[in-house]
Amino acid sequence: KQEVTQIPAALSVPEGENLVLNCSFTDSAIYNLQWFRQDPGKGLTSLLLIQSSQREQTSGRLNASLDKSSGRSTLYIAASQPGDSATYLCAVRTQGGKLIFGQGTELSVKP
Amino acid sequence: EAGVAQSPRYKIIEKRQSVAFWCNPISGHATLYWYQQILGQGPKLLIQFQNNGVVDDSQLPKDRFSAERLKGVDSTLKIQPAKLEDSAVYLCASSFGHSNTEAFFGQGTRLTVV
Repeated sequence: KQEVTQIPAALSVPEGENLVLNCSFTDSAIYNLQWFRQDPGKGLTSLLLIQSSQREQTSGRLNASLDKSSGRSTLYIAASQPGDSATYLCAVRTQGGKLIFGQGTELSVKP
Repeated sequence: EAGVAQSPRYKIIEKRQSVAFWCNPISGHATLYWYQQILGQGPKLLIQFQNNGVVDDSQLPKDRFSAERLKGVDSTLKIQPAKLEDSAVYLCASSFGHSNTEAFFGQGTRLTVV
């Protein structure tokens, strides 16, 4: 059974700092991994999608990496801003097509 | 391109009442998911459809929850009767395929059972 874990559960950083969010999964047989952002009271916004054959994806100040063999992914946020404050969720797409989520990391960027 | 549409946005009901949520996926998306997200937790998959067929409903509490996707387009999720622990946000998502394509989410329906 696929399990997804995100560490830390919460993170508070000063504005301008670079930071890394971690995601680990137990079964390496995945199609892809997707990072989402969730603002309070809102739905999920897709940030990056990494296919199982890829090592990383970049979008603006965001960079996501995938090491399928070790069951790990990281989301790197450069030069953090208060507007980056949100909950970040990672999800893996299993061979059966299920999208399994971690618990999320609640990020707070202080001005 | 229109996103995933869900309604209503909010619903408050008393325990033992019934409630239904509606989802219209992105046009052409064959895969549709319903998730339950309890406050402070990650989304939990309730049911996955491929067109109008159920792919996975292993975590759907079938004694009180039901879902359908007639004609393989929009979908409804029903709870009858509701319990206090059903208070959560119900999220609908869709993707073009079930394997290597990106999933998109609606804004969710926040259910409060009192």
